[in-house]
Amino acid sequence: NAGVTQTPKFQVLKTGQSMTLQCAQDMNHNSMYWYRQDPGMGLRLIYYSASEGTTDKGEVPNGYNVSRLNKREFSLRLESAAPSQTSVYFCASSERYPPRNEQFFGPGTRLTVL
Amino acid sequence: AQSVTQLDSHVSVSEGTPVLLRCNYSSSYSPSLFWYVQHPNKGLQLLLKYTSAATLVKGINGFEAEFKKSETSFHLTKPSAHMSDAAEYFCRGSTFIFGSGTRLSVKP
Repeated sequence: NAGVTQTPKFQVLKTGQSMTLQCAQDMNHNSMYWYRQDPGMGLRLIYYSASEGTTDKGEVPNGYNVSRLNKREFSLRLESAAPSQTSVYFCASSERYPPRNEQFFGPGTRLTVL
Repeated sequence: AQSVTQLDSHVSVSEGTPVLLRCNYSSSYSPSLFWYVQHPNKGLQLLLKYTSAATLVKGINGFEAEFKKSETSFHLTKPSAHMSDAAEYFCRGSTFIFGSGTRLSVKP
């Protein structure tokens, strides 16, 4: 099993450009998440999908949109990138939505917005 | 809503000495608590989790944590640090909110 995979691994954008970060899991998990990680701030939840067909905002949703394409895939879209969105983005999945669930993480996408 | 606070942003120890990474939680109900490790340029890996079955939880790589309700704490410990333990460590609560992280440095 590959676990949680993310593409791309690295990306450089100019301000105002758009892009989609892809995430897929092969563990038959119901719930998926997008986090961003910034120095000294830990991981902050952007959006999550408790189950296929549902999405909800997390702590820092502004400037992002998500799509739960099917049970396996959960994408994150930046419509008009800003320098404040320079970060490392992690996708995660868990068997079900909370509590008491381990999350499995992808390797991350390093995004720089110039 | 539950929150977690990691009390140290950076901890430095010598190889072979004990490790203590501190995490406090706030919750009005019995929480689930987790410790994750992140090595440089990698994703997060679960070290251990507390889900009310036992207050002393053993994890991978010799780490363990004790849930203390009276102190609202869930500190991570290891008797003897290895160079390979140098990483960032995150505490997490039930609501998928992470602490700000503790960077562990291990000196030879």
